[in-house]
Amino acid sequence: GENVEQHPSTLSVQEGDSAVIKCTYSDSASNYFPWYKQELGKRPQLIIDIRSNVGEKKDQRIAVTLNKTAKHFSLHITETQPEDSAVYFCAASRGPGSARQLTFGSGTQLTVLP
Amino acid sequence: NAGVTQTPKFRVLKTGQSMTLLCAQDMNHEYMYWYRQDPGMGLRLIHYSVGEGTTAKGEVPDGYNVSRLKKQNFLLGLESAAPSQTSVYFCASRPDIPGADTQYFGPGTRLTVL
Repeated sequence: GENVEQHPSTLSVQEGDSAVIKCTYSDSASNYFPWYKQELGKRPQLIIDIRSNVGEKKDQRIAVTLNKTAKHFSLHITETQPEDSAVYFCAASRGPGSARQLTFGSGTQLTVLP
Repeated sequence: NAGVTQTPKFRVLKTGQSMTLLCAQDMNHEYMYWYRQDPGMGLRLIHYSVGEGTTAKGEVPDGYNVSRLKKQNFLLGLESAAPSQTSVYFCASRPDIPGADTQYFGPGTRLTVL
């Protein structure tokens, strides 16, 4: 089955700096890669996703890049703010025939220092 | 429109007791999923359903059973709870629409097995 590894497990940045979180996946058939943000005690919420036919996607301060050859994808947050502090999870999925079963990485605790 | 709801929010069980977690969604979604979240391990898929009356095993199904008798409800059962099942349980749903791959999560149920 799919295996997703996520690094780093913790990341501290100064407010205004950029943050980068990296994930690798094992299944070359995976074609959908979402990123979820989870604040303490809350539910995971999708912040951005990318499909295998696209190399990069941006949404304001957030961007995701995908390298299919190397089987890795990254989340980039620019101009970080204290409200960006949360746990971020990457995930990978085949499908849609697989019912879009998601395999998650182990998470990155991002702390933005004021 | 409540989205995805879960009951109960918290529960403490003794080893060997049984219980059922209820997930309900009012978005007419076909797909529903049960995950467990443990510290440092991200979310892992327990069981999922592609429609009313159907269920399938995910990554970690042992010790759990599920039922989807109504489209809007997905039940997760623990027949004989074990301390290893102490976790936070999240339900998610998504529609059966091409390209609509976002999974919407419920608020979670925190289960402790003593």
